[in-house]
Order: sequence, then structure tokens, then C-alpha cells
Amino acid sequence: NAGVTQTPKFQVLKTGQSMTLQCAQDMNHEYMSWYRQDPGMGLRLIHYSVGAGITDQGEVPNGYNVSRSTTEDFPLRLLSAAPSQTSVYFCASSYQRGGHEQFFGPGTRLTVL
Amino acid sequence: AQSVTQPDIHITVSEGASLELRCNYSYGATPYLFWYVQSPGQGLQLLLKYFSGDTLVQGIKGFEAEFKRSQSSFNLRKPSVHWSDAAEYFCATSGSARQLTFGSGTQLTVLP
Repeated sequence: NAGVTQTPKFQVLKTGQSMTLQCAQDMNHEYMSWYRQDPGMGLRLIHYSVGAGITDQGEVPNGYNVSRSTTEDFPLRLLSAAPSQTSVYFCASSYQRGGHEQFFGPGTRLTVL
Repeated sequence: AQSVTQPDIHITVSEGASLELRCNYSYGATPYLFWYVQSPGQGLQLLLKYFSGDTLVQGIKGFEAEFKRSQSSFNLRKPSVHWSDAAEYFCATSGSARQLTFGSGTQLTVLP
């Protein structure tokens, strides 16, 4: 099992550009989520999904879109990047039932100039 | 709404010394509690978790944590720290909705 994979590892964007951060898991987890990590603030939830076709907003959803067409994939879209979106982004997944343990990907470091 | 407080931003200990990282949570019911560790440039690895039952939880790498409902705390401990334990440590909680709420993290430095 590869676990949770994220691409790319690093990305530099100019203000106003769009891009998609990819996340995939091969553990057949129903629940997937996106967090951003900023210094001194821990990780904050952006969006999450409890299954294919179902998504919902987390604590900091503005400026981000998600969709969940398959169980395996949960891409995060930045439609018009802003410097405030410079951060490290983590994708995570878990079973919908059971102990809530979430497995994290290695992260994507995004810089918006 | 649930919240997690890690009052220590940075802790420095000598190798071989004992370690305690503090975590306080706010949640109406019995929460699910977690400790994660993040090495530089890496993702988060789960150290241990508490759901119910025995309030002293054993984790990987020799870590343990104790759930104290009366103090709303879930402190992480290790009797003897190794240089490889230098990392950032995050306490987190989740309720029935499964969404994780993280503390701001504690950076651990280990002196030789």
C-alpha cells in the first residue's frame, strides 16, 4: 500500500494563477480531508468528504474548491491563487467507522508570489 | 466548538532526560484525543490515541499519554528522550464528526 500520496511536493504560483493539488489513497477510506499548516497555527481543516460525491466545508474553505468523484481521489483546487494561500497543504484519510485515526500524506509546499 | 491548547511553543531537554508535553482540550463530551509527531519536511505520524477505557495510553517510540478528564488534559510523556525525538508535536481532538482540531504545536529540541 502506498497510503496517502500527494503531488506535487513543491509549487510556486503567481497571484491569480490556478492549480490543483492532487491527493490519492489506496486504503479504501471513506473519509478524506485537506488541511493547511501555517507557523504557530497548527493544522486547519479546509474541506472534507465522507464519501464519493459528498463534500463539505471546514474551518478555512474560502478560495478553495474540492470534488470527490471516486473513493480514491480528493483534489483541491485553487481558482485564483493569493499570497495568503502560501502554506503547506496536507491531505488525510480514514475509515468512516471506527477510531477516527487519520493517515496523512507527505504534504505540498505552495508559495504564491 | 472543540479546541486544543498546547501552552508550550518550544521545549528544550537534554538527551536522556524525561519529557512532558502539555495539552488541554475543550469539548463537551468525551473526546477522541491524539498526539502526532512531525519531523522537518515530513508529514504527520500518529504517536498514540485515546478513545475510551484505560486513561494511560501507550504509543510508539516509547511515548505514553494520560487522559485526565478533571483537568481536561492529555499530556504526552517519555521517560528518556533520544536525539531522534527532536520534532514538532501536535495534540489533536475530534468529535463525532471526525474532523480533527489541532493545537498550535510544541517544538522539541534535544541537547546532546
